[in-house]
Amino acid sequence: EAGVVQSPRYKIIEKKQPVAFWCNPISGHNTLYWYRQNLGQGPELLIRYENEEAVDDSQLPKDRFSAERLKGVDSTLKIQPAELGDSAVYLCASSFGGGFYNEQFFGPGTRLTVL
Amino acid sequence: DQQVKQNSPSLSVQEGRISILNCDYTNSMFDYFLWYKKYPAEGPTFLISISSIKDKNEDGRFTVFLNKSAKHLSLHIVPSQPGDSAVYFCAASATSSSNTGKLIFGQGTTLQVKP
Repeated sequence: EAGVVQSPRYKIIEKKQPVAFWCNPISGHNTLYWYRQNLGQGPELLIRYENEEAVDDSQLPKDRFSAERLKGVDSTLKIQPAELGDSAVYLCASSFGGGFYNEQFFGPGTRLTVL
Repeated sequence: DQQVKQNSPSLSVQEGRISILNCDYTNSMFDYFLWYKKYPAEGPTFLISISSIKDKNEDGRFTVFLNKSAKHLSLHIVPSQPGDSAVYFCAASATSSSNTGKLIFGQGTTLQVKP
């Protein structure tokens, strides 16, 4: 069974440029998460989807970040414009169900460097 | 406000010996705790979990202990193997909240097991 797929794996951009990350969750997983992991820190939840609905986006900086999961399968996270402080690893995870007991499976992440 | 803390950034142990990784939390609403392991260039993978109704959970070489009064949990790996070398993240969840799937991660501890 294929795991969570993310692309690109690495991205280097200049500040003020836009950037987008793509995630394809494990087949059948209706819950999708986007996390940001800063250097030396643990992952922090940005947004959680149940199917197409964003059920928790309280930590998403909505002035520059946006996300979508139009068909309830794959998802895109966008930053526009990027700032130096956005340099981090962006992790996508999925689970079958959104409860605490539903194991979250993580993708390899996209490492973003903003110059 | 760091609700989940792993105060040791790194730990080095000899192969065959015990590894003990520690985690402290501040939010008394947390009642479900997990440990994730992360290899370089990969996403975190679930290792073991414990509910607050227990004080110990064991899975092979891995045992997690929970001390609710001290708001402290620890992961024991016995015996440690070189393949255990990775970053270990502690995570917590408040199952009674509206966002039961939301995990709060610690900063991580890098474990090195020397042959």
